[in-house]
Amino acid sequence: RKEVEQDPGPFNVPEGATVAFNCTYSNSASQSFFWYRQDCRKEPKLLMSVYSSGNEDGRFTAQLNRASQYISLLIRDSKLSDSATYLCVAAGYGGSQGNLIFGKGTKLSVKP
Amino acid sequence: NAGVTQTPKFQVLKTGQSMTLQCAQDMNHEYMSWYRQDPGMGLRLIHYSVGAGITDQGEVPNGYNVSRSTTEDFPLRLLSAAPSQTSVYFCASSYSRLADYYEQYFGPGTRLTVT
Repeated sequence: RKEVEQDPGPFNVPEGATVAFNCTYSNSASQSFFWYRQDCRKEPKLLMSVYSSGNEDGRFTAQLNRASQYISLLIRDSKLSDSATYLCVAAGYGGSQGNLIFGKGTKLSVKP
Repeated sequence: NAGVTQTPKFQVLKTGQSMTLQCAQDMNHEYMSWYRQDPGMGLRLIHYSVGAGITDQGEVPNGYNVSRSTTEDFPLRLLSAAPSQTSVYFCASSYSRLADYYEQYFGPGTRLTVT
């Protein structure tokens, strides 16, 4: 089975801190990667796609390392509202659809 | 746009009962899918559809049926509920059948308990 592994946390950090999550994927054929955010008892929502060259969206930076098969998410200047579970997703194994593999999520708690 | 809607929000079933979880999207998305989410597990794909009239199995299809008669609707049927089907069910859609490369839009979920 194709796997995506994440540290479940929780990561407890103070407001303003920088926090980084890593995720590893087992299938080297994966072609697309995402980070989703899931608030407690809510549906997942796309936070950002992860591109080979790395990409940044405000306080969030995503990196992809294909050689080591890991994806990272860096959150700078953490806000209370960043408290959520962050899901790593690997997909696109070529050909068939429905091959998004979700990690179990990393829980972040930002404290005042 | 309402996005992806799911009904009911909560449901309690007895073992052996059947029911249908409803999912609808108003974004004219080609791709729709059903996931279940259990504590300590990632989202797992149950069934998916790349267009009206086309469905296929995901990772955990046993005990569930789907159909896609219209672009908008993708109901999930539990044939004979079992306690192992207690879970949170999410419906998702994506605008392209190349769903692996595009954002998934999730519905709010249905919390199902089977006793």
